[in-house]
Amino acid sequence: EIVMTQSPLSLPVTPGESASISCRSSQSLLHSNGNHYLDWYLQKPGKSPQLLIYLGSNRASGVPDRFSGSGSGTDFTLKISRVEAEDVGVYYCLQDLQIPYTFGQGTKLEIK
Amino acid sequence: QITLKESGPTLVKPTQTLTLTCTFSGFSLSTNGVGVGWIRQPPGEALEWLALTYWDDDERYSPSLKSRLTVTKDTSKNQVVLTMTNMDPVDTATYYCARRRSFKISGWTFWDFDYWGQGILVTVSS
Repeated sequence: EIVMTQSPLSLPVTPGESASISCRSSQSLLHSNGNHYLDWYLQKPGKSPQLLIYLGSNRASGVPDRFSGSGSGTDFTLKISRVEAEDVGVYYCLQDLQIPYTFGQGTKLEIK
Repeated sequence: QITLKESGPTLVKPTQTLTLTCTFSGFSLSTNGVGVGWIRQPPGEALEWLALTYWDDDERYSPSLKSRLTVTKDTSKNQVVLTMTNMDPVDTATYYCARRRSFKISGWTFWDFDYWGQGILVTVSS
């Protein structure tokens, strides 16, 4: 089983500043097709998770360009530039390269 | 508009079998490249993937829970049913269903969970 480790687990951010979340996998998420099977989801308070980023760096439909994903191999980063109040919630990374698909523990972003 | 909604009991007793239904609209499970998955989240904890069923009858399960899980689909009713046997208090969680969508890039097929249901909290207690 691929273990996903996120850091930090809690992230207080001042509005307008940037924030970065790290996600590390216990095995490389690089497929032979050259893509990384790593997605990012945001779960806003009291809501269901919503897709933010797929294949490591592609924004899902309707996601603001303030959100960007990067990384390779086992190390990935979600960056949020110019954090807004609506960005609060818990961010999860998910690997779907190998069954069982596994999520990180989540990073809770809060506004200072 | 794509929607999914979970339904079923919110309280089950230990050792009982849980049956949850995901009723969806806006897409069909008979369409090539579509799936529906189940994910759960214990209170205050992280997400855990459980199972998937696809348009072509392929099914995938989390190995740690495979012996307890069954996913079935009723294409005519736009429903997917998750059955989990021998429920235990540690199975207390919000259970979500989500659409597994496929898309192609350079001839390769990729997948993600693009729409989620609202979730249903299931408590296991005597």
